[in-house]
Amino acid sequence: DAEITQSPRHKITETGRQVTLACHQTWNHNNMFWYRQDLGHGLRLIHYSYGVQDTNKGEVSDGYSVSRSNTEDLPLTLESAASSQTSVYFCASSASNYGYTFGSGTRLTVV
Amino acid sequence: ELKVEQNPLFLSMQEGKNYTIYCNYSTTSDRLYWYRQDPGKSLESLFVLLSNGAVKQEGRLMASLDTKARLSTLHITAAVHDLSATYFCAVSSSGSARQLTFGSGTQLTVLP
Repeated sequence: DAEITQSPRHKITETGRQVTLACHQTWNHNNMFWYRQDLGHGLRLIHYSYGVQDTNKGEVSDGYSVSRSNTEDLPLTLESAASSQTSVYFCASSASNYGYTFGSGTRLTVV
Repeated sequence: ELKVEQNPLFLSMQEGKNYTIYCNYSTTSDRLYWYRQDPGKSLESLFVLLSNGAVKQEGRLMASLDTKARLSTLHITAAVHDLSATYFCAVSSSGSARQLTFGSGTQLTVLP
């Protein structure tokens, strides 16, 4: 069965370190998204991609970057982790602008 | 900029009672989504509403969309404990690859 997987599920890192969160989907979806979830804010869009080699900034992109070298993967990199980036991160994918499939999330703690 | 407002943010209700969650959005959109999230879990898709006047029902939940008023409602009928969760509405931007803008969520607790 097709799926979208995120790894790791939990991560603790130190301030200033570079961290990469993985997102892998086997739906063959062109569109992929990264959101962060914080209490009281719902989910906020960080970056998104329409296809290979395409990336775009979302509402809260500062301090984050993504790259899309193939259809299946959209890794999210925190260049220099900050305590304000402690959050739960969700990856999502969609095909034809109709349904979205979400990963299980990564809980990141920056200490 | 698309903004989505959801209310109430917190809702405690007795089993067997009815209640409605409201979702207002600021700019024209023709797609609205409702999701459910249990603690520590991912988002589960409940409804996709695609046109003005759309109404969808699944069990004790019914969602509707009024695009002219930029309003969607999620109505809960005869609540049961299993409905306790956080509910999000999300509105899709227009364009070739739509992004979702989420409301802040409604944390629903159904009390016995």
